[in-house]
Amino acid sequence: QSVLTQPPSASGTPGQRVTISCSGSSSNIGSNTVNWYQQLPGTAPKLLIYSNNQRPSGVPDRFSGSKSGTSASLAISGLQSEDEADYYCAAWDDSLNVYVFGTGTKVTVL
Amino acid sequence: EVQLVESGGGLVQPGGSLRLSCAASGFTFSSYWMSWVRQAPGKGLEWVANIKQDGSEKYYVDSVKGRFTISRDNAKNSLYLQMNSLRAEDTAVYYCARDSIVDYWGQGTLVTVSS
Repeated sequence: QSVLTQPPSASGTPGQRVTISCSGSSSNIGSNTVNWYQQLPGTAPKLLIYSNNQRPSGVPDRFSGSKSGTSASLAISGLQSEDEADYYCAAWDDSLNVYVFGTGTKVTVL
Repeated sequence: EVQLVESGGGLVQPGGSLRLSCAASGFTFSSYWMSWVRQAPGKGLEWVANIKQDGSEKYYVDSVKGRFTISRDNAKNSLYLQMNSLRAEDTAVYYCARDSIVDYWGQGTLVTVSS
């Protein structure tokens, strides 16, 4: 049972901006940084955003992250067909002593 | 280039055991926390366990506590997951991953628990 809640789906047309929310609590997002992962169909997940808003080398600046209180969000601007994937947020939970993933959001490019 | 290669997956009967291995290369293995993450077929990601650089600290998700053991051998640049008393709900692709932020992932190894 995930403690980080994401919308199951999001969609947009090419070029549009899509935002994915991630809702947690004081013991996870409220206390620790948030990371985001992208999982393309049939592949292993890939780190997309770390420490709330930092992009690893090679990740396009179309992807951005933010955090406020016990919630975080991932924005994809200039949506492209290759962005069709599942996206997961994650954070360490100080109460459970586990790394918790969000429920996942499937992004569809219309 | 960071590489993580899992092995040891397969079909096992309920109540059985399996040991997963992960061979790491392209970075100083002994300097990083390491994790195991799993994904049941068609489902989301679930963090399973992690281990500190020297093996002195280990954390597990409640559903595997007492059944799974994470370990590492820094001399062999290898991470392990010993899985005992396996259940049908442990069926998943198991990923080896680097660091507490899980920044690099292996390709995964499939574990199927079924009679």
